[in-house]
Amino acid sequence: GEDVEQSLFLSVREGDSSVINCTYTDSSSTYLYWYKQEPGAGLQLLTYIFSNMDMKQDQRLTVLLNKKDKHLSLRIADTQTGDSAIYFCAEQVVSSNTGKLIFGQGTTLQVKP
Amino acid sequence: DTGVSQNPRHKITKRGQNVTFRCDPISEHNRLYWYRQTLGQGPEFLTYFQNEAQLEKSRLLSDRFSAERPKGSFSTLEIQRTEQGDSAMYLCASRQGSPEAFFGQGTRLTVV
Repeated sequence: GEDVEQSLFLSVREGDSSVINCTYTDSSSTYLYWYKQEPGAGLQLLTYIFSNMDMKQDQRLTVLLNKKDKHLSLRIADTQTGDSAIYFCAEQVVSSNTGKLIFGQGTTLQVKP
Repeated sequence: DTGVSQNPRHKITKRGQNVTFRCDPISEHNRLYWYRQTLGQGPEFLTYFQNEAQLEKSRLLSDRFSAERPKGSFSTLEIQRTEQGDSAMYLCASRQGSPEAFFGQGTRLTVV
């Protein structure tokens, strides 16, 4: 079945780059996503990448996709304290034809001043 | 458009009571999803609507759960005879033809 794995915690200093990693199992995934969740809030879509791309850049965010290894990463340049949150990786399940997402358990990013 | 709206934001209920949550998707989004998120976990898919048709239900959705989207616009999720294990954040998401799925702020349910 489909599964998405993430490391649970990352701590960086303000101004450094953060790299959050994710692995997934469904090789037929069409889209992969990164969402951000602040305490007590819903999910904010940060970016997504189509499976035939290997990189996507959007301002401070860079997504890298290694489809052979089923590995996805999110790099945040010049990390700020406001970036402290939980980051979720998700894949869109192709087999069900509904567009539902399978999420990882989330990576807590702590940014120290 | 103000995005996906969910009400109430918080609900505390006694075990055994029924609760209903509402989701108003982004206008003209024909696809609507419900997810459940427990503490320390990622969201898990519950059910999917395309317009008013409920096309998929997860095995997580027991007989005590029912969801509707009567006119293909807003949706409701009802939980009957609530149990402590139902305590979670219930999230709604909507999308149109694009891959972007937008989530609401969620309804946090606490069963005491």
